[in-house]
Amino acid sequence: QVQLVQSGAEVKKPGSSVKVSCKASGGTFSSYTISWVRQAPGQGLEWMGRIIPILGIPNHAQQFQGRITITADKATSTAYMELSSLRSEDTAVYYCAREKVYSTSSSTTYYFDSWGQGTPVTVSS
Amino acid sequence: QSVLTQPPSVSGAPGQRVTISCTGSSSNIGAGYDVHWYQQLPGTAPKLLIYGNSNRPSGVPDRFSGSKSGTSASLAISGLQAEDEADYYCQSYDSRLSALVFGGGTKLTVL
Repeated sequence: QVQLVQSGAEVKKPGSSVKVSCKASGGTFSSYTISWVRQAPGQGLEWMGRIIPILGIPNHAQQFQGRITITADKATSTAYMELSSLRSEDTAVYYCAREKVYSTSSSTTYYFDSWGQGTPVTVSS
Repeated sequence: QSVLTQPPSVSGAPGQRVTISCTGSSSNIGAGYDVHWYQQLPGTAPKLLIYGNSNRPSGVPDRFSGSKSGTSASLAISGLQAEDEADYYCQSYDSRLSALVFGGGTKLTVL
């Protein structure tokens, strides 16, 4: 059973950056994909991006282009998400989650079977 | 505006059956991509409830079931219990956005 433990709450000024960590235990870290999902107060879930540690290749949702950096350290089984040029609308709880592949003869999609506890990030002047 | 559309709220009495719809388009559910469902209890992280349209992970009661048809999917909860009161989200993949996408979430109230 994979466990994901995230870093603690952050308070940031507009224009600054935040880096959230996600440490995995159980399973083989480098063999699975870690995604980042955020949830603004009272709002729904929003996928931000992912990384496959064994490949070290990230990809992200278009709306975060130029602001998001997702990395992974195989030695410590830790994934990181850094978001820059923070604005008040980035105030949210940020989750990491392990992705699993679901494949049929007609399509392949992905779902999240394990989640971190969430990291609240507040952006305020 | 979420890519997948869910009703904001549903409600039911204990023991009743409720369904939550998730409507997509030709670039996600209608393109054949499968749908997954999550339950989020207040103040906690989401929890996987259904994957691949209708599969339950180990430990999820068989009161929860899912289906998919055309550009929509549904989550059904039978024998409603007080502890089912939570937010429920559908999720799939969108080929036009090249992104994993969620529904806006549905708040279930057990009367």
